[in-house]
Amino acid sequence: KQEVTQIPAALSVPEGENLVLNCSFTDSAIYNLQWFRQDPGKGLTSLLLIQSSQREQTSGRLNASLDKSSGRSTLYIAASQPGDSATYLCAVHGEYGNKLVFGAGTILRVKS
Amino acid sequence: DTAVSQTPKYLVTQMGNDKSIKCEQNLGHDTMYWYKQDSKKFLKIMFSYNNKELIINETVPNRFSPKSPDKAHLNLHINSLELGDSAVYFCASSPHPGQKTGKTDTQYFGPGTRLTVL
Repeated sequence: KQEVTQIPAALSVPEGENLVLNCSFTDSAIYNLQWFRQDPGKGLTSLLLIQSSQREQTSGRLNASLDKSSGRSTLYIAASQPGDSATYLCAVHGEYGNKLVFGAGTILRVKS
Repeated sequence: DTAVSQTPKYLVTQMGNDKSIKCEQNLGHDTMYWYKQDSKKFLKIMFSYNNKELIINETVPNRFSPKSPDKAHLNLHINSLELGDSAVYFCASSPHPGQKTGKTDTQYFGPGTRLTVL
């Protein structure tokens, strides 16, 4: 059974800092891994999707890496801004079927 | 031009009632999902439909019954509501079921329906 763990559970940083969110998964047989952002009272917004054959994906100030064999992914946020404050969710897509398994999320607060 | 929409956004009801949540996507996707996010914020999949056919049915009580009248709609009907059903329910869609085709299959989420059972 796939389990996804995110560390830390919460993070508070001053504006401008670079930061790293961590995600680990127990079953390396994944099809892809996605990072989502969830704002309070809102739905999820997909940030980055990394296919199992890829090592990283970048979008603006965001960079996500994937080490499938060790079951780890990181989301790197450069030059953080107060608008980055949200819950960040990591989810893995099993190799067969279409089930996304989510981590519990990291609550990020960027202070101005 | 909402991609995935859900109604209602908030639903407050008494224990024992029957209620439905509707979901529609205008992205032309083949696959739709229902997720439950509990008070601890854990998101778990409940059901998935591909072209109106049920393909994922997690361990969910029989009181929950999804219905897909066409591939753009996936409604969730809940019978005999219980206190533990209180949660935020998210609908999502993706282009295809995510087989090994090399295609991306980002899931697009609706805004959620907050269900409170009193």
